[in-house]
Amino acid sequence: GAVVSQHPSRVICKSGTSVKIECRSLDFQATTMFWYRQFPKQSLMLMATSNEGSKATYEQGVEKDKFLINHASLTLSTLTVTSAHPEDSSFYICSAIEKTTDTQYFGPGTRLTVL
Amino acid sequence: GDSVTQMEGPVTLSEEAFLTINCTYTATGYPSLFWYVQYPGEGLQLLLKATKADDKGSNKGFEATYRKETTSFHLEKGSVQVSDSAVYFCALRAGNNRKLIWGLGTSLAVNP
Repeated sequence: GAVVSQHPSRVICKSGTSVKIECRSLDFQATTMFWYRQFPKQSLMLMATSNEGSKATYEQGVEKDKFLINHASLTLSTLTVTSAHPEDSSFYICSAIEKTTDTQYFGPGTRLTVL
Repeated sequence: GDSVTQMEGPVTLSEEAFLTINCTYTATGYPSLFWYVQYPGEGLQLLLKATKADDKGSNKGFEATYRKETTSFHLEKGSVQVSDSAVYFCALRAGNNRKLIWGLGTSLAVNP
């Protein structure tokens, strides 16, 4: 099946720094990608929808200046957490829609810890 | 708005036991329904789906039937294995919207 990768899988950073997370669809083109946050023992919270070549659509309550999303190509979307704080520590998951089957495939997630 | 309600876990079963994880939904129109599974340390994987009423999705011995009259999509497996230990998420997608609405997830632990 289709594969979505995320890099890095885990990152630890100091408060105030910025962190970039990459999401790649390895064997298909994805015009639409999604970014989620998952808190421990909770469900996924959709943060934003990323469309190739256009601005991301953010969900209510998600700060677009804090969580910068760039969908630079049909196989790559990046999420940059700017000026990270400990409350941004979470598991960030991306997904991509494979156009021919309209199926959403998920990356393995990135564990962000802000000290 | 649209929502998904799943039974709370954790669910603990012995190997070869019967599994049911309840899922009900609220949605306008005719949503597509999904079960995703997250194995320890891995990403979410689509387990099965159904796109219209009375459809039955099945995969790896798991089944779920889209019941419009009861707005339910319960996940069942006749005989669970230790390798089925994971977190199971019910989700819906309404209309042309590609966003998934998620349940809270149900953790399943299967003991040998």
